[in-house]
Parts: sequence; structure tokens; C-alpha cells
Amino acid sequence: AQSVAQPEDQVNVAEGNPLTVKCTYSVSGNPYLFWYVQYPNRGLQFLLKYITGDNLVKGSYGFEAEFNKSQTSFHLKKPSALVSDSALYFCAVRSGGSYIPTFGRGTSLIVHP
Amino acid sequence: EPEVTQTPSHQVTQMGQEVILRCVPISNHLYFYWYRQILGQKVEFLVSFYNNEISEKSEIFDDQFSVERPDGSNFTLKIRSTKLEDSAMYFCASRPPGVANTGELFFGEGSRLTVL
Repeated sequence: AQSVAQPEDQVNVAEGNPLTVKCTYSVSGNPYLFWYVQYPNRGLQFLLKYITGDNLVKGSYGFEAEFNKSQTSFHLKKPSALVSDSALYFCAVRSGGSYIPTFGRGTSLIVHP
Repeated sequence: EPEVTQTPSHQVTQMGQEVILRCVPISNHLYFYWYRQILGQKVEFLVSFYNNEISEKSEIFDDQFSVERPDGSNFTLKIRSTKLEDSAMYFCASRPPGVANTGELFFGEGSRLTVL
């Protein structure tokens, strides 16, 4: 079985400060890892993914995520937060043998001006 | 940019009534999904659909649920006799074919179902 944990319901950060949204996963075999963002009244939008290669992956809107195999983590990061980054962020994982990603419960990111 | 569209955006129904949620996936996509999110909980997989049949379903997807692609464009989720616990946001998603595809899904904006 595959699973994702997003331990924080909400993350608060001041504009201009770095942000981190945490995600840990459990999966058989090599993980395929994803981050999605959901703005109010919109669907989930793909941000970035890790399949193989460099542990640091870069995605849309200046976001990046670091894959850490030993800690089974895939934390989302951004060096300098914007108020417009405020949204709900979902981490997802799937195994190589499945095209069904499993999602976490989401983390609400609030960036204060 | 092509997108997945869902209707209705919000539906309120009485317990025991049938509801149909509609989705129009991106036109060249071949794999279709329904997920749901009960308020404050995880986004949960319901069912995946390919080549006009269910390819995978979760234990949530019991006999009260059904999916179909009636006309080659719409992809519908039917809940036969709604229960209070079916109240959730239902997301449709699709993905394109091909071995180069690494599995990211394209989601609609969701249909909020409220069962009274």
C-alpha cells in the first residue's frame, strides 16, 4: 500500500521569507512523487514531480522540492514566499507499477504581507 | 490551454436521491479518474477508467457508484442513492497516453455535493 503524510494542516509564513511544506511517504519500490496546488475555487494543478535523477527538482512558480530517500520525504520549498502563494498544497505518491497516485490531506499555506 | 471541466459546481440533494456528476476531460486524454475529498480529509481515489471500462476502483466505490462515458466526451459519476456521508468535493481528472507520461493528472475544479 502507498500512503502520504502531510503533518501540518497549516503553514504560516511572512512574505519574502522562505517556506517549507512537509511531506513524507510510504510506497513499495521506487516512488513517483508529486506536488499539486489548489487555489480557491479551482482544481488541483500540477506543480512538480520527482521520478528519478537529481534529488532537488524545480517546478512552477519558483517552487522546488527535495527528495530524501533515507527519510522518505519530499518537502516543498520556496526561497521567498509571495502572498499569491497562499493556497492548499497536496503531496502525492505512486509506485512504478501503478498510475493511481495517493494524495495527502493537504496543507494550507498562508503567506502574510 | 485545454482543461478538464466539471458540472455542476455545487449540487444539493436529499438523502436517497440519485445524482450525476459530469466531467469533460481534455480531448486527447485516454485515462480518466474520479477522486473525492470529504471536508478536512484526504483526497481519496474512487475509480479509474480506460478504454470504456473500469481499470481500478477503491473500496469506497461500491455498488451505489457507477461511471460511464456515454458519448465519447463526457465522463460521468452516478451515485444511485445518496447518503449523508457522500457529501464531499468530487474531482474528475484525466491524463494523456504514452510511455513518456509520468503520471501527473489534470484535474477539474470539482463538484461539491451536499446531501441533506
